[in-house]
Amino acid sequence: EIVLTQSPGTLSLSPGERATLSCRASQSVTSSYLAWYQQRPGQAPRLLIYAASRRATGIPDRISGTESGTDFTLTISRLEPEDFAVYYCQQYGSSSFIFGQGTKLEIK
Amino acid sequence: QVQLQQWGAGLLKPSETLSLTCGVYGGSFNGYYWSWIRQPPGKGLEWIGEINHSGSTNYNPSLKSRVTISVDTSNNQFSLKLSSVTAADTGVYYCGRRGGSWTAYYYVIDVWGRGTTVTVSS
Repeated sequence: EIVLTQSPGTLSLSPGERATLSCRASQSVTSSYLAWYQQRPGQAPRLLIYAASRRATGIPDRISGTESGTDFTLTISRLEPEDFAVYYCQQYGSSSFIFGQGTKLEIK
Repeated sequence: QVQLQQWGAGLLKPSETLSLTCGVYGGSFNGYYWSWIRQPPGKGLEWIGEINHSGSTNYNPSLKSRVTISVDTSNNQFSLKLSSVTAADTGVYYCGRRGGSWTAYYYVIDVWGRGTTVTVSS
């Protein structure tokens, strides 16, 4: 079974800074099946990125996703106040969805 | 724009069966897989399982023995039953839509319900 490990657990940054979040898969995965979600407090998750690097509808271009082998990265180039939330990566495989444990992006 | 509205009992005793339903409004029901995902307090997301309009299901292996997901196509609804609940089943339960197979969203949950808080306590 694939395990997704996200790092860091918590990232403390200021508005305007650049955020880099990591998601590492325990084995080779299909990039087409890798997604990122944002979850604000008290809200349902929201799809940000699918197929590792493609932005979902309505997602600003300051949010981007990249891949390198089994390492996937979510980058937010200039943090806005609404970006401070928890982020999850997700992989689809063997007719199941698997989520990473999440990275909390907090205001420094 | 499709919306998911979910409902069900929010307080259960250990050993009881959790039962939730999710209604699909403003969009097509057929052709999609419909999922349940849960989130324990302060923790991450766990996918429970999914069903399509034909009743074809996929379940998380770790929960499969206790989970039943069913569909009611006449009312555009799908339901979750989780048996023999314990305190570990406490959390927020979300229903969601997996993207259609003809779209780039096939391997993601692109529409989410607002969540239902379920508490298991004696």
